Amino acid sequence: DVKVTQSSRYLVKRTGEKVFLECVQDMDHENMFWYRQDPGLGLRLIYFSYDVKMKEKGDIPEGYSVSREKKERFSLILESASTNQTSMYLCASREGGATDTQYFGPGTRLTVL
Amino acid sequence: AQTVTQSQPEMSVQEAETVTLSCTYDTSESDYYLFWYKQPPSRQMILVIRQEAYKQQNATENRFSVNFQKAAKSFSLKISDSQLGDAAMYFCASLTGANSKLTFGKGITLSVRP
Repeated sequence: DVKVTQSSRYLVKRTGEKVFLECVQDMDHENMFWYRQDPGLGLRLIYFSYDVKMKEKGDIPEGYSVSREKKERFSLILESASTNQTSMYLCASREGGATDTQYFGPGTRLTVL
Repeated sequence: AQTVTQSQPEMSVQEAETVTLSCTYDTSESDYYLFWYKQPPSRQMILVIRQEAYKQQNATENRFSVNFQKAAKSFSLKISDSQLGDAAMYFCASLTGANSKLTFGKGITLSVRP
């Protein structure tokens, strides 16, 4: 079974802090994604990566950056956390094909105070 | 641009009965795919069912089936013989060959009454 893990289930940070959210997948998938999930808004794509060191902006990249130094790991970085970044963050991975199944991690609920 | 609309935020169904979750989409592409994902409470999101737009036959996975109406751009999910474990948030999503990124609807919360 594919396993996508995220470093924390719950995280509380202060405004202005630099925040790292880590995601690791164990199936050698090429594509990895970061979403945020908010009530009434569904899932919105922040960034995705289709290869090591490659990244593309999603629909809401402002205030975020990403890093993919190794194939199995995709990090989401909040350079200076703000209260409007309080949300559930979901990581996902997918094999090469666009129509392949996308596998999700358990999510990190981030609260910025 | 793709859009996916789930207009009902919540639904409820009696255990063992059938429920249909609605979804409409909009895309200018001819090559696209549609998905239903399930997110149980505090658990990981999983794929329920997938439909290729070029296929006329509606996809089926055990108790889950879709009603794909291409002309109406409608993609509803039918759950038969509902079980308590079906209680979850369900997301409809689309993907085009040109784009390769999933576009999600806002989701619907399904509760199952024992």
